[in-house]
Amino acid sequence: AQSVTQLGSHVSVSEGALVLLRCNYSSSVPPYLFWYVQYPNQGLQLLLKYTSAATLVKGINGFEAEFKKSETSFHLTKPSAHMSDAAEYFCAVSDQGGSYIPTFGRGTSLIVHP
Amino acid sequence: NAGVTQTPKFRVLKTGQSMTLLCAQDMNHEYMYWYRQDPGMGLRLIHYSVGEGTTAKGEVPDGYNVSRLKKQNFLLGLESAAPSQTSVYFCASRDWGSSSPLHFGNGTRLTVT
Repeated sequence: AQSVTQLGSHVSVSEGALVLLRCNYSSSVPPYLFWYVQYPNQGLQLLLKYTSAATLVKGINGFEAEFKKSETSFHLTKPSAHMSDAAEYFCAVSDQGGSYIPTFGRGTSLIVHP
Repeated sequence: NAGVTQTPKFRVLKTGQSMTLLCAQDMNHEYMYWYRQDPGMGLRLIHYSVGEGTTAKGEVPDGYNVSRLKKQNFLLGLESAAPSQTSVYFCASRDWGSSSPLHFGNGTRLTVT
């Protein structure tokens, strides 16, 4: 069964600093990969997704993620954190074989200090 | 374009009471899902549906029932609420194909006393 690991349940950065949120998946066949963001008292919304077109994927709000097959990773980055980036971030995967059920990581809470 | 709408937004139940959570989507999506979110547990799948008239169990189905009589609606029922069902419930839908992302509602916060 597919699994997704998000390293660090909490990540703390200063405003203006680099944001790096880690995601590793377990499949030997590259899956479809997604990052979602959840702001307080809201549902999850899509930040970006990888579907094999390009290894570097750009998303909304200045975020991007790079797919690295050799490392089975899909880490999320942003060059300069803003206070409004404080939220919960979830990595998710879907098998290319047509599974109905995406697999989610446990989530990483991003804390941004002024 | 409303997307995924969940009702109600908040609810308090006494142990043993029943209720139904409604999810409605206006994107003509085939697949719909019910998740619960608890601190430190991430999202856990309760039930899902791959089309009108079909439902299937997820990771944590006990104590819940679902129905998908119309393509746009997915109902989650609690027949006899327990304090362990205190949680935030999210509905999601997506189009056909594994590369399609999930679209989430804004959640229902349920407290069972």
